[in-house]
Amino acid sequence: GAGVSQSPSNKVTEKGKDVELRCDPISGHTALYWYRQRLGQGLEFLIYFQGNSAPDKSGLPSDRFSAERTGESVSTLTIQRTQQEDSAVYLCASSLQSGRSLYYEQYFGPGTRLTVT
Amino acid sequence: KQEVTQIPAALSVPEGENLVLNCSFTDSAIYNLQWFRQDPGKGLTSLLLIQSSQREQTSGRLNASLDKSSGRSTLYIAASQPGDSATYLCAGGGTSYGKLTFGQGTILTVHP
Repeated sequence: GAGVSQSPSNKVTEKGKDVELRCDPISGHTALYWYRQRLGQGLEFLIYFQGNSAPDKSGLPSDRFSAERTGESVSTLTIQRTQQEDSAVYLCASSLQSGRSLYYEQYFGPGTRLTVT
Repeated sequence: KQEVTQIPAALSVPEGENLVLNCSFTDSAIYNLQWFRQDPGKGLTSLLLIQSSQREQTSGRLNASLDKSSGRSTLYIAASQPGDSATYLCAGGGTSYGKLTFGQGTILTVHP
């Protein structure tokens, strides 16, 4: 079946502009995660959605970052007033979580490479 | 706060060699540990997931172990091939929903 998809694959924007990144999870996956990978650094957790529960936003680096998810489908990550330090690859992952299991394998999309000039 | 470290940062080996990649983590209260590979310009491909109640998982030429008491995991690759060249990442899940903390990765090059 289809994997996690993300769009756009590449985005170049000017400092100060807003950007929206999109993630389509694997159909039926209830959990969705956003991570960020800056050049030369490891992946950083940003935000987590699970069903109708309140999202875990503990990884968002500033109030310029926000994310939404409609039900168990598409998610968008919005960065307002972009800064050069926001340049990174933004990765989305989804997983199938159920009450029977505590161990959730995450499946990643190809990422969106954001460059802020 | 969970911290994950991977050594070595880079490794170059000739084709056919067996090799071990190391991962250490600071918080032993770990729910799972997942190994990924990342190819240049691509996303992450899940290789193996070890649950906290398990000690190892195997898939083909790959074997991953988990020792919670010592805070270590290893990924063993047998009979390496040039196609194994990639960055290998380990990540620990510290909560029941599996929010992952990643190491910096090991860049593996297998030369013919």
